[in-house]
Amino acid sequence: QVQLVESGGGVVQPGRSLRLSCAASGFSFSIYGMHWVRQAPVKGLEWVAVIWHDGSNKYYADSMRGRFTISRDNSKNTLYLQMNSLRADDTAVYYCARESMGTIDYWGQGTLVTVSP
Amino acid sequence: QSALTQPASVSGSPGQSITISCTGTSSDVGSYNVVSWYQQHPDKAPKLMIYDVNKRPSGVSNRFSGSKSGNTASLTISGLQAEDEADYYCCSYADISSLWVFGGGTKLTVL
Repeated sequence: QVQLVESGGGVVQPGRSLRLSCAASGFSFSIYGMHWVRQAPVKGLEWVAVIWHDGSNKYYADSMRGRFTISRDNSKNTLYLQMNSLRADDTAVYYCARESMGTIDYWGQGTLVTVSP
Repeated sequence: QSALTQPASVSGSPGQSITISCTGTSSDVGSYNVVSWYQQHPDKAPKLMIYDVNKRPSGVSNRFSGSKSGNTASLTISGLQAEDEADYYCCSYADISSLWVFGGGTKLTVL
């Protein structure tokens, strides 16, 4: 079955960087687009970024463009999110998710990122 | 402010039906049939309930249905059950700088 397992979250100071990883299994990772979606405490879902199946295209939410970088390693079935210049309002649970024909269909359990002095 | 507008809360009694609306614009819901709905229980990951406006993934109860009219999509849950109590989010593909947009979420309370 489809499994997405995020890692790399934790507590980080404002202005610092963090890299999240998402290990995929149970499906052919290299033929699916992949997303990051985040959810701030007691808030709704916010789309972060998408990467095409082959890494050829990447798109970002306006508030994250220029600070966050999505990437993937199809040989390792792994998705990444490099987050730079972190701010307090980046505090959230970050979900890795698979996309099928435009629909985000499977989600990981999420990893919590806390930006705090 | 979320790109798609949902009511903050809805409620219903067991056995009743409820509908949650999701209002967007001609740049998202109005132009694409790539509208999905997610159920999220506390401290859990979202679960896909409806995709492509009105299609149900395998394993999702047929009590859940979706529709769209103009810039507004809707999720209807019939025969409400206690386990339906959760947060529900809509999502649409969009031809704006942010390619996927979510609604702000609706808390469903089963009375």
